Amino acid sequence: DGGITQSPKYLFRKEGQNVTLSCEQNLNHDAMYWYRQDPGQGLRLIYYSQIVNDFQKGDIAEGYSVSREKKESFPLTVTSAQKNPTAFYLCASSSWGEAFFGQGTRLTVV
Amino acid sequence: RKEVEQDPGPFNVPEGATVAFNCTYSNSASQSFFWYRQDCRKEPKLLMSVYSSGNEDGRFTAQLNRASQYISLLIRDSKLSDSATYLCVVNLNDYKLSFGAGTTVTVRA
Repeated sequence: DGGITQSPKYLFRKEGQNVTLSCEQNLNHDAMYWYRQDPGQGLRLIYYSQIVNDFQKGDIAEGYSVSREKKESFPLTVTSAQKNPTAFYLCASSSWGEAFFGQGTRLTVV
Repeated sequence: RKEVEQDPGPFNVPEGATVAFNCTYSNSASQSFFWYRQDCRKEPKLLMSVYSSGNEDGRFTAQLNRASQYISLLIRDSKLSDSATYLCVVNLNDYKLSFGAGTTVTVRA
């Protein structure tokens, strides 16, 4: 079945550590996105990528980094520079505007 | 001004009622429009696309008003299972999706 897979579902990080969230899709979509959602809030765009080896900052890119070495994969690294990383992270891919989401990763800083 | 704005609600309605809410967008060049549904602690899922002529899917009706730059969603004969947050999504081009913050709907028995 085609889809988009995020892992892990839950992630705990110590302060000062970098962590990488995985996002893989087999939908053959060019565009991929990372969003952050805080409790009771909407989705905020972190980074997006239109094509392999290219990506653009979204509205809240500070403290995050991404890579797009393969069409299928768009990992997100939450660096120690991100001061408030505890949130729900959603990866999506899109074709003709319709977005398909992974199940999300809940990151908690302990 | 935000690219996409929604009334956050919450809209609390009894079963069987009709509820409607809007979403405004700032960029007149926006090309396509969608409504997504998000349940608590889950990922958003596509509810329906919004076409210029308006479209209906069962109890759900979506409308687009380009002149006033808003889209709307109407839910008829509300069910308990319709309780969720509804996200408006506007696509400027194939690669830039803008999400509204969501409208919360709670249907009570």
